[in-house]
Amino acid sequence: DTEVTQTPKHLVMGMTNKKSLKCEQHMGHRAMYWYKQKAKKPPELMFVYSYEKLSINESVPSRFSPECPNSSLLNLHLHALQPEDSALYLCASSQEDPWSSYNEQFFGPGTRLTVL
Amino acid sequence: QQQVKQSPQSLIVQKGGISIINCAYENTAFDYFPWYQQFPGKGPALLIAIRPDVSEKKEGRFTISFNKSAKQFSLHIMDSQPGDSATYFCAASRGYNQGGKLIFGQGTELSVKP
Repeated sequence: DTEVTQTPKHLVMGMTNKKSLKCEQHMGHRAMYWYKQKAKKPPELMFVYSYEKLSINESVPSRFSPECPNSSLLNLHLHALQPEDSALYLCASSQEDPWSSYNEQFFGPGTRLTVL
Repeated sequence: QQQVKQSPQSLIVQKGGISIINCAYENTAFDYFPWYQQFPGKGPALLIAIRPDVSEKKEGRFTISFNKSAKQFSLHIMDSQPGDSATYFCAASRGYNQGGKLIFGQGTELSVKP
């Protein structure tokens, strides 16, 4: 299994809702990442987990809450989002420790989030 | 210093032609340079990557050329096909101090006309 899977594919939520995005990889990768991507822009790093511990938080607002229940799973809990948070949310994983120089990151297909 | 500048923003190439996308960086600590291909509605897919100790790397129709002294690298797509139409992102990273953080270029939207 050489892929990163994400669910759901699409999500529409109101500003008062609570929802979660899920990501799974079965490649034995040690690091997992959340990115946000706006249309026609490059991905922006949000969080990095290494060995199930949060190692990087790119000053993301607290309405986004990541969780890594085990080495294969990564969640992103969403609460009280704003319309400007609408974007494609991408999960990625890498075999190497994030501190390694040659960190090949493999991306999932993303969750298209719309906040009304 | 953390930026990666990518050009052109968009590119139209005829089928069978060569597509060339260029990237430039400032930070000499970068030591890993991948290219990602992204189709609409999909996540980026790692296409090819190079390390600064190599000046060129070829995989099928895709070639990375790397000029360390000029701090530039480019992607060449030979015999471009309509199926290559996608957005291409170059990136750079330095692992030890930045947690493998990829610094992406702004992307190039490639359209290959039949």
